[in-house]
Order: sequence, then structure tokens, then C-alpha cells
Amino acid sequence: QVQLQESGPGLVKASGTLSLNCDVSGDSISSSNWWSWVRQPPGKGLEWIGEIYHSGSTNYSPSLNSRVTISVDKSKNHFSLNLSSVTAADTAVYYCARGKGISMGGYCFDPWGQGTLVTVSS
Amino acid sequence: DIQMTQSPSSLSASVGDRVTITCRASQTINNYFNWYQQKPGKAPKLLIYAASRLQSRVPSRFTGSGSGTDFTLTISGLQPEDFATYYCQQSYSTPYTFGQGTKLEI
Repeated sequence: QVQLQESGPGLVKASGTLSLNCDVSGDSISSSNWWSWVRQPPGKGLEWIGEIYHSGSTNYSPSLNSRVTISVDKSKNHFSLNLSSVTAADTAVYYCARGKGISMGGYCFDPWGQGTLVTVSS
Repeated sequence: DIQMTQSPSSLSASVGDRVTITCRASQTINNYFNWYQQKPGKAPKLLIYAASRLQSRVPSRFTGSGSGTDFTLTISGLQPEDFATYYCQQSYSTPYTFGQGTKLEI
């Protein structure tokens, strides 16, 4: 059974950097999957942040591209998110998810981590 | 970016009802399209992938259809555990985008 678990500080100061890890169990980070971060501000919808492949290839949302870095650590079987210059607008539940390719084309997020709330304080 | 527009944004229904949620993409996305269910305080859960394929262990009362730009999720015979928020998502191109969600309430 594949499981993902986010970890990191729940409180970050404005203008600082948000850093989260996602530990993967039951699958290898080096498998043929992409690994994504998705966030959800309180009471709002889902926003895809970006993804990484075990080779280090990344794709980021253009709206966050200048502030986001996603990295992978194959030795620890985890991947990480760094989001710099945070503001109150970055307060959200952050989820990690496995991006699974679909044989007939496309891609879905399954499974997801339980999520971790990160609050940006002034 | 591809915009995903869900309707309705909220829906009231009763146990046993049949409900339909729709999602429209701003451009054709073939069948690179998924539905998720989210309950309060929980992570989203994959229900349907590739527009119409039921994820393992998801009850058969959930059905998905559509291709191109217009998609639907139908729940036949609502059960108490189905009251949740539903999101559509396109995987045709990055940035992957979600609909704004449909809250299904009793």
C-alpha cells in the first residue's frame, strides 16, 4: 500500500521560506511516476504547485514558478518543496501526491498525503 | 492555462437521489480528466480517471462520462457517505488545473 506523509513547520514568518518534505512508502521515488505538490487555502479549492521526476526534471505552476523549488532525495525516498518569499496568501494545507500515468493517456493524483497546514504569520 | 469550470458550485440532495455534476474545460483535453472526492479535513481521493474509468474500490454508483471539453459525474442512489465536495481536474497539460469544486449537501 502506497502512503505519502508530509512533514515540516506549521508556522512560517512572512518573507521567509516554506519547506516541506514528503516521505514515500510502499513505492520507490525512482519508479515511473511523477511526484507533485498541491495546496488548498482554508475554505478554498485545490491548486497544483509543481511536480518532479526521479531524474530531477520538474514542472512548476507559472503563477509560483519564480518562488518554487521541488527536489528529490532518492536515498531517503522522499521529495521536498521550498516556497520562498511567502505571504499570508500562501497559508494553506499542503498536500503531496503521486502522479500516476494512465495507459490510455493522461495522469492522475493517487494517492495523496494527509496534508499539513502551513500558516504564514506576520 | 486550461480553465476548468464546474457546475453547480453547491447541490442539495437526499439519500437515494441521483445527482449529476458537470465540468467544462476551456479547450479540448481529450479524456485526460479526473474526478476527486474530498471530505472535510481529509485529503482528496481519486474517484474516476480518464473521464470514465472507476478507481479501484470505488462503488459502481459513481459513473463518469464525456470527452473533449464537457464531462459529467453521476452518482446514482446517494449514500450518506457521498456527501462531500467533488473536484474535477485536467491532466492534458501543465499547469494541471482543478475545477472550483461542487459541495454536495444533504
